Amino acid sequence: SAVISQKPSRDICQRGTSLTIQCQVDSQVTMMFWYRQQPGQSLTLIATANQGSEATYESGFVIDKFPISRPNLTFSTLTVSNMSPEDSSIYLCSVWDRPFTDTQYFGPGTRLTVL
Amino acid sequence: AQSVTQLGSHVSVSEGALVLLRCNYSSSVPPYLFWYVQYPNQGLQLLLKYTSAATLVKGINGFEAEFKKSETSFHLTKPSAHMSDAAEYFCAVSDQEDTGGFKTIFGAGTRLFVKA
Repeated sequence: SAVISQKPSRDICQRGTSLTIQCQVDSQVTMMFWYRQQPGQSLTLIATANQGSEATYESGFVIDKFPISRPNLTFSTLTVSNMSPEDSSIYLCSVWDRPFTDTQYFGPGTRLTVL
Repeated sequence: AQSVTQLGSHVSVSEGALVLLRCNYSSSVPPYLFWYVQYPNQGLQLLLKYTSAATLVKGINGFEAEFKKSETSFHLTKPSAHMSDAAEYFCAVSDQEDTGGFKTIFGAGTRLFVKA
């Protein structure tokens, strides 16, 4: 299975600032995803970040607000820009482990609070 | 497009009782069905995965799920609940896209409470 780490694990930020979340995987993976989990809610896909191509954003999410980098097969970053209290959520990095287990794994999440 | 419905946002059982968490997917048979568990302040942990190899799938921590195509269901069960099973459980459906990648849709989640 793929082991995923995220930094920071949590942060408290001021309105209007930006935060970059890092995701590191212990193996090379092609498919990487970023999810948002608002308090008490399920997971919503923000974007798919495959290495070698631009990130693909889901409806309701835009690159200016959530820029993503994917410089190699083991690392990605998600930036939450110009934050507002509505951005307070858990942000989860995820990968699809193919061809080994064909399973989706998740990182521990970054708990963001915006004041 | 795929969709997944979890019946019951909260389920409460007594310790030692049967756990049954319900999940229904949309009509087309997906390549993959998952159950994940999320403990407080943690990420998602994979419980089990269905990949058409067998309709009854055994997972970790004594959980299992049965795929029933006729009912479009993938319910999660455990014969005897333990206090440590108290958590949020998510059913998920993954479908392969035209690009060759995968997109996973999650149910709303079911919070399991276990009473002593």
